[in-house]
Amino acid sequence: DTGVSQDPRHKITKRGQNVTFRCDPISEHNRLYWYRQTLGQGPEFLTYFQNEAQLEKSRLLSDRFSAERPKGSFSTLEIQRTEQGDSAMYLCASSNTGGGHNEQFFGPGTRLTVL
Amino acid sequence: QQQVKQSPQSLIVQKGGIPIINCAYENTAFDYFPWYQQFPGKGPALLIAIRPDVSEKKEGRFTISFNKSAKQFSLHIMDSQPGDSATYFCAASKDSGYSTLTFGKGTMLLVSP
Repeated sequence: DTGVSQDPRHKITKRGQNVTFRCDPISEHNRLYWYRQTLGQGPEFLTYFQNEAQLEKSRLLSDRFSAERPKGSFSTLEIQRTEQGDSAMYLCASSNTGGGHNEQFFGPGTRLTVL
Repeated sequence: QQQVKQSPQSLIVQKGGIPIINCAYENTAFDYFPWYQQFPGKGPALLIAIRPDVSEKKEGRFTISFNKSAKQFSLHIMDSQPGDSATYFCAASKDSGYSTLTFGKGTMLLVSP
């Protein structure tokens, strides 16, 4: 499968714990996006990278959240000191800005439950 | 402030019917309007997208109608099938789609057999 992959698919954690999610984009896609989706809502933008550079962060991304894309390939999203309000689906998407379009391809998401 | 408003929240049609989902936006800088389809347990998948230089775009059974002056756009699904049952999201972006996506809240569509 050559689509966007995310790991783990589900994560249950206790409040106050740290969690880390991984996203592997489509090969050679230079942009990688993180979104958060809560029940009954559309995805909300968190941050995106072009290659290894983090170009934009939403105000939703509090200082407990950090994202990296160290070699311009896979990315990790870490949430420190999780809160119940962090429970959501975390979606990763990738795109290739070459070729005159920027279609974003989404992964299946990581569902986080904070108890 | 919700920049993209989507309605209805849910919709039930019979097989063969034509569900219509509407979206309205406020930011006149938006210039790329995609629709995504999401099945349970899956990420959203791009269905069709339109830019404001055209008023309509068709791809298979899916049609987007766009009204720039009203800042509204809609998705029509022709000859709907039970397999079309999913949640549909409209979205908008600036910079011809090179900016981040702002999504509507979604419409849960059920097509009954």
